[in-house]
Amino acid sequence: DTGVSQDPRHKITKRGQNVTFRCDPISEHNRLYWYRQTLGQGPEFLTYFQNEAQLEKSRLLSDRFSAERPKGSFSTLEIQRTEQGDSAMYLCASSLNLHARQRSTVYGYTFGSGTRLTVV
Amino acid sequence: GQQVMQIPQYQHVQEGEDFTTYCNSSTTLSNIQWYKQRPGGHPVFLIQLVKSGEVKKQKRLTFQFGEAKKNSSLHITATQTTDVGTYFCAGVNAGGTSYGKLTFGQGTILTVHP
Repeated sequence: DTGVSQDPRHKITKRGQNVTFRCDPISEHNRLYWYRQTLGQGPEFLTYFQNEAQLEKSRLLSDRFSAERPKGSFSTLEIQRTEQGDSAMYLCASSLNLHARQRSTVYGYTFGSGTRLTVV
Repeated sequence: GQQVMQIPQYQHVQEGEDFTTYCNSSTTLSNIQWYKQRPGGHPVFLIQLVKSGEVKKQKRLTFQFGEAKKNSSLHITATQTTDVGTYFCAGVNAGGTSYGKLTFGQGTILTVHP
């Protein structure tokens, strides 16, 4: 296992087009996260999954954004009708989150190299 | 919603000087993590702190978690050029249902002059 993989690394698209990104997490990890990062800022939470269930979606995220993790393995993030403000680095991360005896143990995230989206 | 703030935003040091970045959360945290992002790279996990008042060391790096679990700091002793990058803190909100979801600070960009 070589870590978290994201594809493509770069995407240039015209405003109004739809784009889809893929993330392959570390196979042993049950949690998968999508974040967005712009220059000079920290990663901003978009959504996350525990196995195939989408547990939360950021309130800042418009309906143009949708994410899936159909079999609890890889995930896709789709942006419909892209806008120039969508230009950013889209980061995927995975982690192991264990629940035992009503306690939850959180481990560090492993990030992928990201997909840089440029909307022109 | 939860906010995580970091200061300073930028820090320029001469090689060999010490460096400290501070992190403050608007809410009590269950744990806090620190990440390093090299220029052009992605965030890489450094450490997690869980207990109130916890202090952990990794070679020249010292991490602290505040007694109230609302603040944290990262101190680097005798910086080296390899320390260059952006350091992020990220917290998990205590309570609520989004356990394990990290909220990141805006980061401190460290430049080390040889």
